[in-house]
Amino acid sequence: AQKVTQAQTEISVVEKEDVTLDCVYETRDTTYYLFWYKQPPSGELVFLIRRNSFDEQNEISGRYSWNFQKSTSSFNFTITASQVVDSAVYFCALSDPANTDKLIFGTGTRLQVFP
Amino acid sequence: DGGITQSPKYLFRKEGQNVTLSCEQNLNHDAMYWYRQDPGQGLRLIYYSQIVNDFQKGDIAEGYSVSREKKESFPLTVTSAQKNPTAFYLCASRPRDRVITEAFFGQGTRLTVV
Repeated sequence: AQKVTQAQTEISVVEKEDVTLDCVYETRDTTYYLFWYKQPPSGELVFLIRRNSFDEQNEISGRYSWNFQKSTSSFNFTITASQVVDSAVYFCALSDPANTDKLIFGTGTRLQVFP
Repeated sequence: DGGITQSPKYLFRKEGQNVTLSCEQNLNHDAMYWYRQDPGQGLRLIYYSQIVNDFQKGDIAEGYSVSREKKESFPLTVTSAQKNPTAFYLCASRPRDRVITEAFFGQGTRLTVV
């Protein structure tokens, strides 16, 4: 069965600390896509990154970086030098191989960054 | 500006009443989705539509209904058959001209049954 696990329910850090949000997935398919979304207090989900299963290169975008490891079925997200504006709920998601129109979401990790 | 508009932002409903949540997009996306979000449970798919006049049940469709008469619009009706309708509802859309693109989300509607 396809599944996304975000074991960290809530993380609290102080500004300027680095923080890593974990995402572990299960899928029977060899071709799939992984996503990260940010949900600020306003409620809208904001797309952060999409990664396909054939591209294991790590990606960096400003203070954000992603580590994709197929060997451990993980797609972890690191925020460097966290800021108060990073406070949000972060979701990891997996494309459903049986139905490419569906995304399977994890339960989310709430990140609180304190000044 | 292009985007997805959900209305209203907050909605209160009496038990036994049907209520319709609006979702409109001007992104020219073919696919549209409705998700339900409960605390600690992530997002669960209610219904989705890949083209006009067609839609499919998601994982938790019972007690909900949808229509897709226009490409831009995908309203969700929460019927009295939905036993626990209090939740945050998110609408999303995606183009279907590329493989597995990201979905764009609206700002959500928070429904409370009183």
